Amino acid sequence: NAGVMQNPRHLVRRRGQEARLRCSPMKGHSHVYWYRQLPEEGLKFMVYLQKENIIDESGMPKERFSAEFPKEGPSILRIQQVVRGDSAAYFCASSLSPGTENEKLFFGSGTQLSVL
Amino acid sequence: DQQVKQNSPSLSVQEGRISILNCDYTNSMFDYFLWYKKYPAEGPTFLISISSIKDKNEDGRFTVFLNKSAKHLSLHIVPSQPGDSAVYFCAANSANAGKSTFGDGTTLTVKP
Repeated sequence: NAGVMQNPRHLVRRRGQEARLRCSPMKGHSHVYWYRQLPEEGLKFMVYLQKENIIDESGMPKERFSAEFPKEGPSILRIQQVVRGDSAAYFCASSLSPGTENEKLFFGSGTQLSVL
Repeated sequence: DQQVKQNSPSLSVQEGRISILNCDYTNSMFDYFLWYKKYPAEGPTFLISISSIKDKNEDGRFTVFLNKSAKHLSLHIVPSQPGDSAVYFCAANSANAGKSTFGDGTTLTVKP
């Protein structure tokens, strides 16, 4: 009975490298969200995806960041040419039916990205 | 422009007393509010929620109050227990947006 699975838990990259963060939603959930938590800050929305579609990417930086949720496989958050300011905890969440009254998010344990 | 604000970064209470965590919002389109709890090195977990058509929702030791006219909600925990020590996030949804907007969180410490 797996919840939202994120991997890796910890990721260390040098400046200029690429970071790939993976997220498998809860079984039966087709809506995936990525949030970022910078040190001493709250959860900031990045992107909302459904299978094969980006629904809302208003929180994602325009450059270097991309996200996908293919028909098969996990959702991927990709950060190219990482910089020290990208160091943060990245949380993935999934939901069953957004916009309904009882909707809530189920979160993974997060990926802690450290850029050296 | 932060649409959901938790103005108290931290709160410390004695075990057995009441904890009151506050949250303010600015967007009148929000119609559903949730509280999440987060322990270190874990993801947030859902705690309790309230629809904008209600002013109170209770679940065991946890009660959420909503004052729509003031755009304010609060989470009451009574009695507080040491295991309640965590970061509490307030979040707001609007039916059309599909995403949740979070506050910056309040760190609650319950002292034995």
